[in-house]
Amino acid sequence: EAGVAQSPRYKIIEKRQSVAFWCNPISGHATLYWYQQILGQGPKLLIQFQNNGVVDDSQLPKDRFSAERLKGVDSTLKIQPAKLEDSAVYLCASSFPGLALRNEQFFGPGTRLTVL
Amino acid sequence: DQQVKQNSPSLSVQEGRISILNCDYTNSMFDYFLWYKKYPAEGPTFLISISSIKDKNEDGRFTVFLNKSAKHLSLHIVPSQPGDSAVYFCAARRINTGTASKLTFGTGTRLQVTL
Repeated sequence: EAGVAQSPRYKIIEKRQSVAFWCNPISGHATLYWYQQILGQGPKLLIQFQNNGVVDDSQLPKDRFSAERLKGVDSTLKIQPAKLEDSAVYLCASSFPGLALRNEQFFGPGTRLTVL
Repeated sequence: DQQVKQNSPSLSVQEGRISILNCDYTNSMFDYFLWYKKYPAEGPTFLISISSIKDKNEDGRFTVFLNKSAKHLSLHIVPSQPGDSAVYFCAARRINTGTASKLTFGTGTRLQVTL
């Protein structure tokens, strides 16, 4: 079974530039999550999708961050414009509804963003 | 407001000995707890979980203990192996909310198992 795919793996940009990350979840996983992990901290949920609908985006900085999950499969997360404090690893995860009680989320390798 | 806390940023244990990783939480609405393991340049992987109706869950070398009155859980690894060297994250979930599967993570503990 293929895991969660993310690209790019690394990205370096200057502040005020834009950047986009892509995620392809495990086939059949209806729920998709984007997390931000700043160095020395645990992952923080930015947004959660159920199919192509947003379930929770309460911690997404909506003035600069946006995410979409067209057709309920792949997802993109965009930052526009980026700030220095956005430097972090952006993790995508997915889960299958049948595992909702155990809440076992499967994570991709992440995209390490450095904003200079 | 850090609702899930892992107060030990690092831990070093000799191979074959027991590793004990601790986690404290403040939100009494949490009712399901998970441990994730993370190797460098990889995403976290699920390790073991426990429901709040239990006080212990065991899976091979890994055992998680939950003390609800103290709002404390711990992960025991015995015997520890060099391949266990990784960062371990404790996570907690609130049930019966609109975002039932939302996880709150701790800051992680880096475990190093030495030869």
